[in-house]
Amino acid sequence: RKEVEQDPGPFNVPEGATVAFNCTYSNSASQSFFWYRQDCRKEPKLLMSVYSSGNEDGRFTAQLNRASQYISLLIRDSKLSDSATYLCVVKGNQGGKLIFGQGTELSVKP
Amino acid sequence: GAGVSQSPSNKVTEKGKDVELRCDPISGHTALYWYRQRLGQGLEFLIYFQGNSAPDKSGLPSDRFSAERTGESVSTLTIQRTQQEDSAVYLCASSLGAGQPQHFGDGTRLSIL
Repeated sequence: RKEVEQDPGPFNVPEGATVAFNCTYSNSASQSFFWYRQDCRKEPKLLMSVYSSGNEDGRFTAQLNRASQYISLLIRDSKLSDSATYLCVVKGNQGGKLIFGQGTELSVKP
Repeated sequence: GAGVSQSPSNKVTEKGKDVELRCDPISGHTALYWYRQRLGQGLEFLIYFQGNSAPDKSGLPSDRFSAERTGESVSTLTIQRTQQEDSAVYLCASSLGAGQPQHFGDGTRLSIL
């Protein structure tokens, strides 16, 4: 079983739609969680951290369910520029290494 | 520049050759990480440096892979006797310290013929 699992998609949605991505992780001792965004043939960039209480940044909302070991990302009013691969990331226990999911591809169409 | 710099940006080589990939982290960043991303996959952790030491090498896939860091700055990832399955994008990231936000370079796209 992979340490971080995501539905690879692709998710094809129209502009303005709301879309949600889910992710599960296997290590119950994990403490830090993130969503990264990766554009085609580019390096990953931090989108947002995920906090236990849930957090919002503009149109993006991230939630964490520790009991279920489940992380989500909600994008509201999606824009063409949101088209990218969204990577669910868990910080490992030693040295800060990041453990990445396979990524979920999002394509927002006009 | 202000970001993480990697070279070369692209490398094509024949199976069996050795390759060296270079990473220049952000100045002052003590932690440095190497990751590998195969086509259509997420990033796989390879090795982590704190200063010039590598406390976690658990992700190196075989003894053909090695890395070093000098002057608490530049790091080199070496792959000996390359195989076709080594084809991937190799990404370097640095951070102020372990557990701090990581900043990624553009990566080196390695193709083994």
